[in-house]
Amino acid sequence: EADIYQTPRYLVIGTGKKITLECSQTMGHDKMYWYQQDPGMELHLIHYSYGVNSTEKGDLSSESTVSRIRTEHFPLTLESARPSHTSQYLCASSEVSEGYTFGSGTRLTVV
Amino acid sequence: QKEVEQNSGPLSVPEGAIASLNCTYSDRGSQSFFWYRQYSGKSPELIMSIYSNGDKEDGRFTAQLNKASQYVSLLIRDSQPSDSATYLCAVWDSGTYKYIFGTGTRLKVLA
Repeated sequence: EADIYQTPRYLVIGTGKKITLECSQTMGHDKMYWYQQDPGMELHLIHYSYGVNSTEKGDLSSESTVSRIRTEHFPLTLESARPSHTSQYLCASSEVSEGYTFGSGTRLTVV
Repeated sequence: QKEVEQNSGPLSVPEGAIASLNCTYSDRGSQSFFWYRQYSGKSPELIMSIYSNGDKEDGRFTAQLNKASQYVSLLIRDSQPSDSATYLCAVWDSGTYKYIFGTGTRLKVLA
């Protein structure tokens, strides 16, 4: 049973639209992360959070933004989607140094 | 820049053989190490963690850590076609509360 949930699982959207990818976890973890991964390629950290009202940019520059108003919720928003944003987006959470739990991911296609 | 290095593969082994996956890391102060399995199109799944020098066994999987040589390995005994996946090595960075991932090794188990 998944303890971290991402919705939607798949999303196809037109250029210029605003989108929000949802991520929620029930484990009470303070630390949450967003990764971007293209098929067959490595993971790239784009955002992370140490706790409520804490957000940081990751190693890969991204036009997306995140918020952390509640411990369990860490949504990612793209104000104006472009075809270059087409990718898989993975959300994860962890306790300190105990390994990530990943969500199932959102596969985004911008047409 | 802290780094985690893996051979991208593919590593091909016959069914029933031992698969050996290796990972080296640059930060000598690292304390926590993880192996994830990622099937094509799916999110990574944590399969092993190791914190002390030596071997840690879990079923068909054995993780090996050598901090002096800065490498961690994963052995898969009696490899099955269902083990075919990409295996990601990750190291916990206690300075930034992030995991540093290798690029992954693709394993193919041939029936």
